[in-house]
Amino acid sequence: NAGVTQTPKFQVLKTGQSMTLQCAQDMNHNSMYWYRQDPGMGLRLIYYSASEGTTDKGEVPNGYNVSRLNKREFSLRLESAAPSQTSVYFCASSMQGDTEAFFGQGTRLTVV
Amino acid sequence: AQRVTQPEKLLSVFKGAPVELKCNYSYSGSPELFWYVQYSRQRLQLLLRHISRESIKGFTADLNKGETSFHLKKPFAQEEDSAMYYCALNRHGGSQGNLIFGKGTKLSVKP
Repeated sequence: NAGVTQTPKFQVLKTGQSMTLQCAQDMNHNSMYWYRQDPGMGLRLIYYSASEGTTDKGEVPNGYNVSRLNKREFSLRLESAAPSQTSVYFCASSMQGDTEAFFGQGTRLTVV
Repeated sequence: AQRVTQPEKLLSVFKGAPVELKCNYSYSGSPELFWYVQYSRQRLQLLLRHISRESIKGFTADLNKGETSFHLKKPFAQEEDSAMYYCALNRHGGSQGNLIFGKGTKLSVKP
């Protein structure tokens, strides 16, 4: 049982480049989330999807877009990467908003 | 505004000493609160939630609505408790909510 799988694990981008972070879960969860983790800032919610077909902004959505491709997959896109987006990105899923969230292993992104 | 505050970035104790990791929240309504833990090189995982009122790995947390707090306690710390601890609040509440986290407290248990 893989749980929540994120790809890639590491990525270095140049300023202005674009990329998509992939996330997939095999637990038949309805809700999925993208967080970024920065030193001293904890985890901040970027976007979430309460159910298939819906997405909503979190605390720090600027510079990002998301797609809930199907119930399993929730991708995060950086259209024009900036150094301020250097961070560790975590995808998570839960059956619904008030149940346990399961996290991926994280993607360490560096924008130079 | 909905907010979770963990005032301590780092908490260092000796093995066998009591531990209290502080968490305060701001939320209008009935809060749903959680503690998540991230051990070194492991994924973030749920430690406990207030609604279940359970003890996990010797940790307990009581919701105090009067003080808007949800502090995590353990009477006797162990070295394996060393980790990053995050307090989290279900924003919006209910099944359509989502988690917002505090900034985290790094617990270091010394031998």
